[in-house]
Amino acid sequence: EDQVTQSPEALRLQEGESSSLNCSYTVSGLRGLFWYRQDPGKGPEFLFTLYSAGEEKEKERLKATLTKKESFLHITAPKPEDSATYLCAAKKDSNYQLIWGAGTKLIIKP
Amino acid sequence: DAGITQSPRHKVTETGTPVTLRCHQTENHRYMYWYRQDPGHGLRLIHYSYGVKDTDKGEVSDGYSVSRSKTEDFLLTLESATSSQTSVYFCATEGGETQYFGPGTRLLVL
Repeated sequence: EDQVTQSPEALRLQEGESSSLNCSYTVSGLRGLFWYRQDPGKGPEFLFTLYSAGEEKEKERLKATLTKKESFLHITAPKPEDSATYLCAAKKDSNYQLIWGAGTKLIIKP
Repeated sequence: DAGITQSPRHKVTETGTPVTLRCHQTENHRYMYWYRQDPGHGLRLIHYSYGVKDTDKGEVSDGYSVSRSKTEDFLLTLESATSSQTSVYFCATEGGETQYFGPGTRLLVL
């Protein structure tokens, strides 16, 4: 069964304390792995798409990486404004639909 | 960001009443999606559309119907609302490989 699992469910960090969020997937025929950020009361906001193992993408303090089984979202020296829920989703190449993880709630304390 | 609006943004209704949620986009995207988001679950696909009058079911379509008479509008109807349909509903459109989300509709069924 196709599945996307994110860990941890919640992560509390001090401002400046770097860490990583995990997204593991078991999807037959991965077309792409997507990362989104969601603020409370808002819709998900697109961050990155990764298409092949070894690929990396960066945006400000965020860097996403992809292997054949999982993706990581690395957060370097986070700030309180990075607090949000981060969602990952895998797109299948058979039907192009997204399979979503339940998200990691990130809290950055000043 | 894609120009996506949803209406209403909040709604309280009673069990057994019909409810229609509207999604409007200004990006001329062909694909549109309706999701629901509940605590502890990832986003779950209700229905999607791949063109005017072309729609298909997602993983949680029971109790929901959709219509798309114009490229820019995608309607989600709960024929007879139940308490299990209390949720936050998101509309999304797809441009290129990426889905872009609206602000959501918070629905409470009493």
